[in-house]
Amino acid sequence: EAGVTQFPSHSVIEKGQTVTLRCDPISGHDNLYWYRRVMGKEIKFLLHFVKESKQDESGMPNNRFLAERTGGTYSTLKVQPAELEDSGVYFCASSQDARSATEAFFGQGTRLTVV
Amino acid sequence: AQKITQTQPGMFVQEKEAVTLDCTYDTSDQSYGLFWYKQPSSGEMIFLIYQGSYDEQNATEGRYSLNFQKARKSANLVISASQLGDSAMYFCAMDNYGQNFVFGPGTRLSVLP
Repeated sequence: EAGVTQFPSHSVIEKGQTVTLRCDPISGHDNLYWYRRVMGKEIKFLLHFVKESKQDESGMPNNRFLAERTGGTYSTLKVQPAELEDSGVYFCASSQDARSATEAFFGQGTRLTVV
Repeated sequence: AQKITQTQPGMFVQEKEAVTLDCTYDTSDQSYGLFWYKQPSSGEMIFLIYQGSYDEQNATEGRYSLNFQKARKSANLVISASQLGDSAMYFCAMDNYGQNFVFGPGTRLSVLP
């Protein structure tokens, strides 16, 4: 069974440009999460989809970030326009049932560098 | 490639008791870091504790301690005096310093009153 896949694995863009990150969750997983690791040990929650609906987007830093999950399958996270402080590793995770899941699966992350 | 294994999908513990959550890892790197995160139902990831591969002493942070056994490639999390608020998913993760950051599948801990 394929795990959570994220594309691209690395992206280097200039300040002001647009980047779109993609996450393909495990088939059948209704819950999809986006996180960002900026530096060190902290991993910041961005948002949570249940199927195609945004369950919680309280972690989205500002309106330069737009997440979508059309059809409840894969999700995209667009940053437009990118700023230097957006650099970091963006992780996606999926699980079947957020309340009772005993496993959640993380992708390998997308390393975004804004220069 | 790095890999994290957490063999306990779900764990139960009585309030005020201690509990150990298992984590084993696989890497060919000599330098790496090991992390534990707590994920409550809100979905946020709360950093708990960190252990560097060259740290000789086990890391401790309040009620959390990491039982690091390098030769066995294990990094178990010990929570002492469990509280009801400790009920959550717990993820073990490994970082080889900038190249890869890998999570385990998680363990759901339920603290019973």
